This record gives sequence, structure tokens and C-alpha cells, in this order.
Amino acid sequence: ETGVTQSPTHLIKTRGQQVTLRCSSQSGHNTVSWYQQALGQGPQFIFQYYREEENGRGNFPPRFSGLQFPNYSSELNVNALELDDSALYLCASSLGGGTSIYEQYFGPGTRLTVT
Amino acid sequence: ELKVEQNPLFLSMQEGKNYTIYCNYSTTSDRLYWYRQDPGKSLESLFVLLSNGAVKQEGRLMASLDTKARLSTLHITAAVHDLSATYFCAAPRRGADGLTFGKGTHLIIQP
Repeated sequence: ETGVTQSPTHLIKTRGQQVTLRCSSQSGHNTVSWYQQALGQGPQFIFQYYREEENGRGNFPPRFSGLQFPNYSSELNVNALELDDSALYLCASSLGGGTSIYEQYFGPGTRLTVT
Repeated sequence: ELKVEQNPLFLSMQEGKNYTIYCNYSTTSDRLYWYRQDPGKSLESLFVLLSNGAVKQEGRLMASLDTKARLSTLHITAAVHDLSATYFCAAPRRGADGLTFGKGTHLIIQP
């Protein structure tokens, strides 16, 4: 069974640029959730994709957008990067949409630094 | 809006001691999750508590859930250095899409 993978591991971008982060869900999982974790804080929910549709969104502006592909992998896109976007971005895969009784399995994360 | 509060946020303890981390949440939920995070690493699932009165144990860690009090506890028995980490609790958002996390409890266990 393959776990959740994310790429890249680290990324440095300049304010105003755009970035795409990628996530491959665990085998058999059809739901991907994205979280932003600032240094010293708990993860904050960005949005969730279930069967290629956005299934819910947290308090993040529209410049945070996403996609889920037929193989259930996912992308997080952030436009017009701001310094405050510097954080660890985590994706989590699960089965069944929403926060069902199934656990969310987290990937290793992408560390984004905006300068 | 759901709020999840943990206390303490920082805990330094000696090996061999017992301690409890508390997690309060503001709206009704029948589920509560506990995660562990090591520095620079991702989140590792520890416990998923699915009903009122649920109790789960793994090694020196035991978690419980009281949905009426909106309280979960993570109890550490006879702490060892390897348990040093940051522990997060999380509850499902109202829309049951993602999780709302607490700020985490940074636990340091000293020899």
C-alpha cells in the first residue's frame, strides 16, 4: 500500500509569483484535503476534493485554488503569493468524502517560503 | 464557528511521570482525532475517537472522549523521552469536510 506523497519537498518563491503543489493520495482513497500550517500553529483547513469536486472550503481567499484528477491525485495552486503564505502545506487523503469515520492520512508536506 | 482549545500549550516533564493534555471544543461533535507531529515532520495519526465514552490506548498513551462535556483527554503514563513531540487534537468542521485543529501541545520529556 502506497502512502500519501507530496512534491516538491521544499520551495522558495518570490512575492507575487504563483505556485503549484502536488499530492498523490493513498491507494484506494478518493478524498484529498489540503491544510496550511504556519510555524508554531496547528494546521488550518484550506479545502477538500471528493471525486474531483470541491467538497468544502475553509477561510482562504480565492487565490488558493485546487484540482483533483481522475486518479484522485490533487494540486493546490496559490496565485499572487504573499509573505504570509510561507508555511508547511499538508495534504491528507481519506476514503468517503467529508470527515467520515475514516482516518485522514497526512503526507510529508511541502515547505513553502515566500521572500 | 468551531473552536478547539488545547491546554497546556507547552509542557516539560520528567521521564517516569504521568500527565494529561486536555482538548476542549466549542460545538457538538461525536468524533475527535489526536495527532502527533515531530519537528519538521508531518502528522501521525494516534487515535480516532468515534463516540461518547470512547477510550483508546496505545502503549503509554490513552485517549478518551466525553461528547457531553465537549472534552477529550490524552493521558501519558510513565513518560519516556521518545514521546517528546507536539500533540494536536482536531474535531470535524460543521460542514463535515475538514478538521479544525487546536494549537498543539509542545511536550518535552527530560531524562
